[in-house]
Amino acid sequence: ILNVEQSPQSLHVQEGDSTNFTCSFPSSNFYALHWYRWETAKSPEALFVMTLNGDEKKKGRISATLNTKEGYSYLYIKGSQPEDSATYLCALNSGGYQKVTFGTGTKLQVIP
Amino acid sequence: KAGVTQTPRYLIKTRGQQVTLSCSPISGHRSVSWYQQTPGQGLQFLFEYFSETQRNKGNFPGRFSGRQFSNSRSEMNVSTLELGDSALYLCASSPGPTETYSNQPQHFGDGTRLSIL
Repeated sequence: ILNVEQSPQSLHVQEGDSTNFTCSFPSSNFYALHWYRWETAKSPEALFVMTLNGDEKKKGRISATLNTKEGYSYLYIKGSQPEDSATYLCALNSGGYQKVTFGTGTKLQVIP
Repeated sequence: KAGVTQTPRYLIKTRGQQVTLSCSPISGHRSVSWYQQTPGQGLQFLFEYFSETQRNKGNFPGRFSGRQFSNSRSEMNVSTLELGDSALYLCASSPGPTETYSNQPQHFGDGTRLSIL
């Protein structure tokens, strides 16, 4: 059983603050890393797919980096807004196909 | 294009009963995966189907089963329900096997919330 860990478990930030969180995974079992955003009462929504060591992806104020050698990915949110409040999940694809292992998520609350 | 559709949205059952959940993937998507989410747990992988065949299975007992039809729609069945089966069950679809299969993000439905009394 693969261990995909996310930290912190939850986070409260003020509107306008920048924040980041971590996803750690076994570096020996890597095909791809996915980030998802899951807002309350909605379904998880894909943010990024990352495949190469050193990958950096960006979508608006959200960006992510990947280090496959040491087994971690960071997600950054610049200038957090209340609409960024959600649980952010990372998922490791370790064997091709779609067998992915999800982390337990980081729950972000942005306070206006 | 319509998203992933799961039915029913809510379900209440009692211990010992069995239940069938349904998932219609995005049109053109051939791969369907199922996940269970319980309080305090992340999304736990149940199984993945494409071309009507189960390709991967998570660590769940044999009471959990599934199938996929020729139109890519999928069902999962849980027999002899236990209190611990109370959870949100999510279905996700993706286009299907290509050389970049592991890179494909999954598109999730809204889930079926199953409560066992």
